[in-house]
Amino acid sequence: NAGVTQTPKFRILKIGQSMTLQCTQDMNHNYMYWYRQDPGMGLKLIYYSVGAGITDKGEVPNGYNVSRSTTEDFPLRLELAAPSQTSVYFCASSTQGAYSNQPQHFGDGTRLSIL
Amino acid sequence: GNSVTQMEGPVTLSEEAFLTINCTYTATGYPSLFWYVQYPGEGLQLLLKATKADDKGSNKGFEATYRKETTSFHLEKGSVQVSDSAVYFCAPYGGSQGNLIFGKGTKLSVKP
Repeated sequence: NAGVTQTPKFRILKIGQSMTLQCTQDMNHNYMYWYRQDPGMGLKLIYYSVGAGITDKGEVPNGYNVSRSTTEDFPLRLELAAPSQTSVYFCASSTQGAYSNQPQHFGDGTRLSIL
Repeated sequence: GNSVTQMEGPVTLSEEAFLTINCTYTATGYPSLFWYVQYPGEGLQLLLKATKADDKGSNKGFEATYRKETTSFHLEKGSVQVSDSAVYFCAPYGGSQGNLIFGKGTKLSVKP
């Protein structure tokens, strides 16, 4: 059971570089999410998607972009990496969205350092 | 806005001790409530959930009861093991986009 798969697991970027964090799920979930986790803090929502072709901003979207061309994939793009984006990034998916009783399923995370 | 407050960690216990991790929240209505666990170097795993008032979620010896009156969802375990060492997150639905709201997490260390 693959569940939610994130790649890469670790990455070091230089300031100003760009990269895409990959996320794919094999559970046929419509809802997908990107969170970031800063040291000693909870998770903050960056972007989310309620289905293929539909995305929307979360609490902390600045500096990021997403796309959702298929049900399975939800990549997160950093265009101009900044030190403030050093964090651990988690992708999650669920069958239902807001105020549902269904849990979100998380990937193992991508640990990103911007130097 | 909506928020979650968890007890500050780290919490250090001896094996077989009783565990309580307090969680209170503010949210619109009566959202479903979840506890997630994060083992070192891993992602978040669902531990248990409760979807309505007075529901008790349970899994792996952990329990939590949905208390509507006190807007709380405290996590308990009668006898912890070394393998329970992890960070625990209380997370209700209730963000402005209907997302999960996460507290800062409580780090638990269990010593043999």
